[in-house]
Amino acid sequence: NFMLTQPHSVSESPGKTVTISCTRSSGSIASNYVHWYQQRPGSSPTIVVYDDDQRPSGVPDRFSGSIDSSSNSASLTISGLKTEDEADYYCHSYDSGNHVFGGGTQLTVL
Amino acid sequence: QVQLVESGGGLVKPGGSLRLSCAASGFSFSDYYMTWIRQAPGKGLEWVSYISRSGDSKYYADSVKGRFTISRDNAKNSLYLQMNSLRAEDTAVYYCARSPGSFWFDSWGQGYLVTVSS
Repeated sequence: NFMLTQPHSVSESPGKTVTISCTRSSGSIASNYVHWYQQRPGSSPTIVVYDDDQRPSGVPDRFSGSIDSSSNSASLTISGLKTEDEADYYCHSYDSGNHVFGGGTQLTVL
Repeated sequence: QVQLVESGGGLVKPGGSLRLSCAASGFSFSDYYMTWIRQAPGKGLEWVSYISRSGDSKYYADSVKGRFTISRDNAKNSLYLQMNSLRAEDTAVYYCARSPGSFWFDSWGQGYLVTVSS
């Protein structure tokens, strides 16, 4: 099984852009899709990016996803930060019968 | 609209058993893989188990293999998780979630707290 490693926390100011990384420990990041979830305090997670770079309907285009094979990582980029974006973000991937989540990144918008 | 509602959690002693249920509505339940995911207090998300559309294929995280059993009843639009030999480290909020296509989770329940403590 592989692991997905995320930074524990990031912070940025309103209106700025922040990128959260998700690094795969073994195997290629491109081998399996990566998905991203937002979890606000006291709420269930919600999907913000699926299949590496697809945005579900209703998710603002300020949210975008990408993968980088050279660093074996995926990234979630949030532009034009709003205070409502303050939440925990989790990356997720699936391989051979196992789902794997990253440890989560706490985003502070200050 | 899509609704997933968990029930059946609560307080149980170490070594005890509990059965979680997830009632689905607003979509064709039998068309989707279904998954249980948990979150220990103040911790991150951990995948627990998932089941295929027909219920023929079931997969478990190593941490629960041999102790938990996932099942579904498509006629009742319901997903279940039978949890045996519970340990303190199983204490968590348990979510059921729906999986379309490539195994991402597009809808989640509100979660139900399971506490394992003497």
